[in-house]
Amino acid sequence: DGGITQSPKYLFRKEGQNVTLSCEQNLNHDAMYWYRQDPGQGLRLIYYSQIVNDFQKGDIAEGYSVSREKKESFPLTVTSAQKNPTAFYLCASMVGQGIGNEQFFGPGTRLTVL
Amino acid sequence: AQSVTQLGSHVSVSEGALVLLRCNYSSSVPPYLFWYVQYPNQGLQLLLKYTSAATLVKGINDFEAEFKKSETSFHLTKPSAHMSDAAEYFCAVSRGTSYGKLTFGQGTILTVHP
Repeated sequence: DGGITQSPKYLFRKEGQNVTLSCEQNLNHDAMYWYRQDPGQGLRLIYYSQIVNDFQKGDIAEGYSVSREKKESFPLTVTSAQKNPTAFYLCASMVGQGIGNEQFFGPGTRLTVL
Repeated sequence: AQSVTQLGSHVSVSEGALVLLRCNYSSSVPPYLFWYVQYPNQGLQLLLKYTSAATLVKGINDFEAEFKKSETSFHLTKPSAHMSDAAEYFCAVSRGTSYGKLTFGQGTILTVHP
């Protein structure tokens, strides 16, 4: 089945550590996105990528980094510079680059900083 | 800039009752609008989308939404609530540029009582 996988489902991190969240899609989609979700705040865009080896900052990129070395993979690193990293992280992908296309979402990773 | 306001962070209905979740948008360009549903600790799933083809949009699980330009609204309705509809619902608007970026509302948690 085609879809988006995110791993791990739950992640615990000590303060000061960097962690990397995995996102893989086998939908052959061009665009990929990372969102952060906090209770009552909806989804906020962290980074997005339209093509391999290219990505752009979203609305809350500070303290995060990404790479897009392969079309199917878009890992997110939460660095120690991110002041409040505890949140639910969602990866999404979209076919093409049109503005009316839907985004498909992965199951999410819940990150907790101890 | 595009924005979305969801009126009511929590909505409670009885099983079999009408479901009405409100969404108002602000957009400087003709909008593309989406409703997504999220079950606990899962990713988002598309319910329906408006792309200017028809003002009344039908989605999955008997949900529908009506685009009203004069009211800048895109409210989500379902004639008869089912226990399985309990979830969080997000309205989103396309930002009107390329790259498919979306702006999400804060979400509405729907509770269904027996």
